[in-house]
Amino acid sequence: GAGVSQSPRYKVAKRGQDVALRCDPISGHVSLFWYQQALGQGPEFLTYFQNEAQLDKSGLPSDRFFAERPEGSVSTLKIQRTQQEDSAVYLCASSLQGFGRSGNTIYFGEGSWLTVV
Amino acid sequence: KNQVEQSPQSLIILEGKNCTLQCNYTVSPFSNLRWYKQDTGRGPVSLTIMTFSENTKSNGRYTATLDADTKQSSLHITASQLSDSASYICVVGGGSQGNLIFGKGTKLSVKP
Repeated sequence: GAGVSQSPRYKVAKRGQDVALRCDPISGHVSLFWYQQALGQGPEFLTYFQNEAQLDKSGLPSDRFFAERPEGSVSTLKIQRTQQEDSAVYLCASSLQGFGRSGNTIYFGEGSWLTVV
Repeated sequence: KNQVEQSPQSLIILEGKNCTLQCNYTVSPFSNLRWYKQDTGRGPVSLTIMTFSENTKSNGRYTATLDADTKQSSLHITASQLSDSASYICVVGGGSQGNLIFGKGTKLSVKP
């Protein structure tokens, strides 16, 4: 597609419910990133994939968070037993290659807004 | 600790005026510095990317500068427009894992 696509755009979950957030990166992009952005804050790194390999998951806040990219394209961020503190915007981004060190442009999706009630 | 600090936290200016946003960082090793514009409810959009050897980069009315010695960057917006109202986020690439470290952003409001 023309850009990074995320779904759902908005999700309201009851505390304890599991949620799955989907990201379709730009076609051909090797790198895929997930970020969490709390209200009024900058995005915080969650995890990074290069193709299907999850190279860095150091930002995942707990073992309730799980991400996968089984075929090296679409990625899913799953949050189990959601808590109120999980309420945030979850941003997906992709780039042609590289991660931080290179000067490649990183393109962001519009985000999935999660509210846990 | 790798950090990116932005100032001011928020800024209000009149349409047509210029403004400058600041970014200080303590990321090491340094790879690149990016400025993003994030409209409310939208994802960040890239404005500029600068590597170590670049000290200025322009994108239309946006001009970013980088001083790698003092670890400072600025984003200058010329002849502001109402559509410039957004958060401007400074992002530094680098660190031991080549991560992207985000600042908290400067919220700019342009008033008519």
